[in-house]
Amino acid sequence: AQSVTQLGSHVSVSEGALVLLRCNYSSSVPPYLFWYVQYPNQGLQLLLKYTSAATLVKGINGFEAEFKKSETSFHLTKPSAHMSDAAEYFCAVSSYGNKLVFGAGTILRVKS
Amino acid sequence: DGGITQSPKYLFRKEGQNVTLSCEQNLNHDAMYWYRQDPGQGLRLIYYSQIVNDFQKGDIAEGYSVSREKKESFPLTVTSAQKNPTAFYLCASSPGGWSYEQYFGPGTRLTVT
Repeated sequence: AQSVTQLGSHVSVSEGALVLLRCNYSSSVPPYLFWYVQYPNQGLQLLLKYTSAATLVKGINGFEAEFKKSETSFHLTKPSAHMSDAAEYFCAVSSYGNKLVFGAGTILRVKS
Repeated sequence: DGGITQSPKYLFRKEGQNVTLSCEQNLNHDAMYWYRQDPGQGLRLIYYSQIVNDFQKGDIAEGYSVSREKKESFPLTVTSAQKNPTAFYLCASSPGGWSYEQYFGPGTRLTVT
């Protein structure tokens, strides 16, 4: 069975600081990995996805994530946080024939 | 503009009543999904449909029902058998199987008292 663990239900950073949101996955077959963002009372928006083409994946709004098979990780980063980045972020994993499984989410707070 | 619409945004019902949540997409996607979101629990899959006239139970299907009579529509009925129906419900669609990214609607917040 696949699973996703997001370390830290809440992360707080200062505006302009590095954003690092952690995601570890478990999958017995090559995974497809996704990061989504959710603003309050809205649906989820895709930030980026990994589908084995390249280990460093660039997404929207300056976010990127690196797939590390040896560490079973897919951490999300952004060099400089902006106030508009405050939201909840979800990591998700699927694979061929296996449904998408979401992590519990990390709420990012950006301090001015 | 292509996208997914869910209506209504907020829905209030009395305990014991069935309620149907609407989900429509004009992305020409084959697959559609319903998720339930509760604080601190991420998203949990209720039902999914990968083709018209066919659907499968997800992880928490008890107390819910769906239909897929048209490609663009995938309504969810929350029945009186659902023990704790108050939640945020999200509909999504994708071009095909699980390797594709899913596109989400804006959600419906259901409150049952």
